[in-house]
Amino acid sequence: EAGVAQSPRYKIIEKRQSVAFWCNPISGHATLYWYQQILGQGPKLLIQFQNNGVVDDSQLPKDRFSAERLKGVDSTLKIQPAKLEDSAVYLCASSDRVAGGRDTQYFGPGTRLTVL
Amino acid sequence: AQSVTQPDIHITVSEGASLELRCNYSYGATPYLFWYVQSPGQGLQLLLKYFSGDTLVQGIKGFEAEFKRSQSSFNLRKPSVHWSDAAEYFCAGSTGGFKTIFGAGTRLFVKA
Repeated sequence: EAGVAQSPRYKIIEKRQSVAFWCNPISGHATLYWYQQILGQGPKLLIQFQNNGVVDDSQLPKDRFSAERLKGVDSTLKIQPAKLEDSAVYLCASSDRVAGGRDTQYFGPGTRLTVL
Repeated sequence: AQSVTQPDIHITVSEGASLELRCNYSYGATPYLFWYVQSPGQGLQLLLKYFSGDTLVQGIKGFEAEFKRSQSSFNLRKPSVHWSDAAEYFCAGSTGGFKTIFGAGTRLFVKA
């Protein structure tokens, strides 16, 4: 079974530029998550999709971050414009969702973003 | 507020020695608890999880964790560490509200 795929693996941009990350979840997984992991910290949930609907985006900086999950499969996360503090690893995870928070999340390798 | 705390930023153990990584949680009710491992440049891999029932949970790679309600803890253990266990370990919790909260992580160094 193929795992969660993410691209690119690394990205370097200058502040105020825009950037997009792509995630392909495990086949059949209805729930998809985007996390931000700043160096030295644990992952922080940015947004959670159930199929193609947003379940939780309370920690997504909506003035600059956006995400979509068309057709309930692949997802993209965009930052526009980027700030220095956006430098982090962006992790995508998916789960087949057992109700009540018992879902097991499977993580992709992440995209390391450096903003100069 | 809900939180997961890993008191140790880093730990160094000798190869072959036993390991215990600490995790404390603060939730209104007993959360579902997880331990993940992250090797450099990789995503997170699930080691084990606790939902209910037996408080001693067995995981992959020889790891186990014990849920202690009285101490609000879910410590990860391994009887004999291998050099390949060097990585960062994250404890996480979630509830019926679904959002998973991760601790800040503990980096494990293994010395020969």
